[in-house]
Amino acid sequence: AQSVAQPEDQVNVAEGNPLTVKCTYSVSGNPYLFWYVQYPNRGLQFLLKYITGDNLVKGSYGFEAEFNKSQTSFHLKKPSALVSDSALYFCAVRDANSGNTPLVFGKGTRLSVIA
Amino acid sequence: SQTIHQWPATLVQPVGSPLSLECTVEGTSNPNLYWYRQAAGRGLQLLFYSVGIGQISSEVPQNLSASRPQDRQFILSSKKLLLSDSGFYLCAWSPKTSRAYEQYFGPGTRLTVT
Repeated sequence: AQSVAQPEDQVNVAEGNPLTVKCTYSVSGNPYLFWYVQYPNRGLQFLLKYITGDNLVKGSYGFEAEFNKSQTSFHLKKPSALVSDSALYFCAVRDANSGNTPLVFGKGTRLSVIA
Repeated sequence: SQTIHQWPATLVQPVGSPLSLECTVEGTSNPNLYWYRQAAGRGLQLLFYSVGIGQISSEVPQNLSASRPQDRQFILSSKKLLLSDSGFYLCAWSPKTSRAYEQYFGPGTRLTVT
């Protein structure tokens, strides 16, 4: 079975400080990992994904994520947070051997960037 | 390029009334299609997904149903709405060409059952 955990419901960070949103996963095979962002009353927007290769993945809006196989983690990071980064963030996983199955999403982490 | 549409954007319906939400995808063919519900601005609950016309997988038992009458059309329905059906409904699609592809989400429908 596939699963994703986002251990923090809420992350608060001051504008200009680095931010990290945590994600751990569980799959039986190799993972495909994704991050999405959702602004109020909007659909989810894709930020970045890890499929294979370099463990550090760069995505939209200055976000990046680091794949750590030994810790089964895929934490989202940004060096300098903006107030406009305040939103709901979702991590998702699909087992590379699972076929055409839906992504499994975490419960989401609400990021609040304070000016 | 591909786009995904959902309508209506917002809907207020009384308890016991029927429901029909529509989702269409443009610019691709034979996509996988998904319906999610999001309650109270938090986690996503997968309701249905479809790999082809007439092929629907249901993830949770409920008074909702889904249909895929055309390749790029996905409809979410209910015969009688419950208060608990209120929420934000999201449609998504993904290509079949690779398992590495992300899902692309529509703008959502805000349903309030009164």
